[in-house]
Order: sequence, then structure tokens, then C-alpha cells
Amino acid sequence: AQKITQTQPGMFVQEKEAVTLDCTYDTSDPSYGLFWYKQPSSGEMIFLIYQGSYDQQNATEGRYSLNFQKARKSANLVISASQLGDSAMYFCAMIPRRNTGFQKLVFGTGTRLLVSP
Amino acid sequence: AAGVIQSPRHLIKEKRETATLKCYPIPRHDTVYWYQQGPGQDPQFLISFYEKMQSDKGSIPDRFSAQQFSDYHSELNMSSLELGDSALYFCASSPNDRGSYEQYFGPGTRLTVT
Repeated sequence: AQKITQTQPGMFVQEKEAVTLDCTYDTSDPSYGLFWYKQPSSGEMIFLIYQGSYDQQNATEGRYSLNFQKARKSANLVISASQLGDSAMYFCAMIPRRNTGFQKLVFGTGTRLLVSP
Repeated sequence: AAGVIQSPRHLIKEKRETATLKCYPIPRHDTVYWYQQGPGQDPQFLISFYEKMQSDKGSIPDRFSAQQFSDYHSELNMSSLELGDSALYFCASSPNDRGSYEQYFGPGTRLTVT
């Protein structure tokens, strides 16, 4: 079974600063994918970034980067130059990659980020 | 680009009533997933379909049933609604069955049971 742990229920950052949201995971699958989603107060689930377990480089998408440390089983999200619109709930999630397909996402409990002016 | 469509976006029902939520996946996506997110909680997997057949099942109550139709849209039927069923219900679609891991989420249906 897979488990995602997000130990920060809330984070507070000032506009234009960088912030790191922590995520650790546990799985026995040799191959898996890690995701970060953003959920604003409106409720939609917005995909931010993906990291495959065998990817050699850390994933980056604009202001988002994923600090992937496989040996530590951590996949922290780094948001550079925070903006007021970044205030939202952030979920870390993982999915095993198997030949059988049909895999479901397992989510962490989320971190609420508040960006202040 | 086309996204996942869910209808209705908001639904208010009374206890013991039934509700039907609809999901229209992205064109050429043949796998559909349903997730339930209770207030202040993370999304929990309910059920998934591939090529109109159930492919996986999570913590879905027996009062709920779902199916995927020939046009790949899916419906989640919920009967004997309880207050605890109040939640945001997401549908996600995926492009193919094997090797694809990306799931594209719809905007969700917010169900309120009174």
C-alpha cells in the first residue's frame, strides 16, 4: 500500500519569497509517479508538477520545482517568487506504475499555503 | 484544449434521496476515476472504469453504483443519501489503460445533503 505524509498543515509566506512544502511517501512499488496538485478555495484540483521515480532530473514547471530525494522518499514542492494567487491547499499524491494500469491516486492530507502581501 | 466535464456543479439533496453525478472525460480518454473529498479532507478513491468495465474499487459504499457508457461518459448513482455523503466529488480521466499515469481532474460536483 502507498502512503503520503504531509506534515505541515499550514504554511505562511510573504509575497515574492520562496517556500517549500514537504512531502514524504512510503511504497513497496519499484516504479511510481509523484504529483503535486493545487486546490484553491473554488475547489478545482489543478495539476502542478509530476516526477517519475526513475527520472534522473528533478521536475520543474515554471515557478514550481520538485526536490526529489528518492533515498529519503521525499518529494518536496518548491514555489519560487510566491504570488498572492498561490494561496491555496496543496496536495502531494502518488501513483504506482504497473503494467496492469488502472491505478488510483493516493493523496496526502494537504498543506494550506497563505501568501501575504 | 477540452477538459473533463462534470455535471451538475452543485447539487442539494435531502436525506434518503438519490443523486446522479455525470462525468464526460476528455475525448479519447477511456479510463475514468471517481474521487470523494469530504470537508477538510483529502480526496479518496471510489471507483474506476476502463473501456466500460469496472477496473478498480475503493471505499465506495454499497449505496453507490457507477457505470461507464459506450461514449465513455460515466455516472455515479447515489441512493439513500446520508448527511455524511456531503462532499466534493471529482471525476478524472486518463488517456489509456497501461503505462499512463496522468489523471486530468474535472471541476468537481459539490453535493450537499440536508
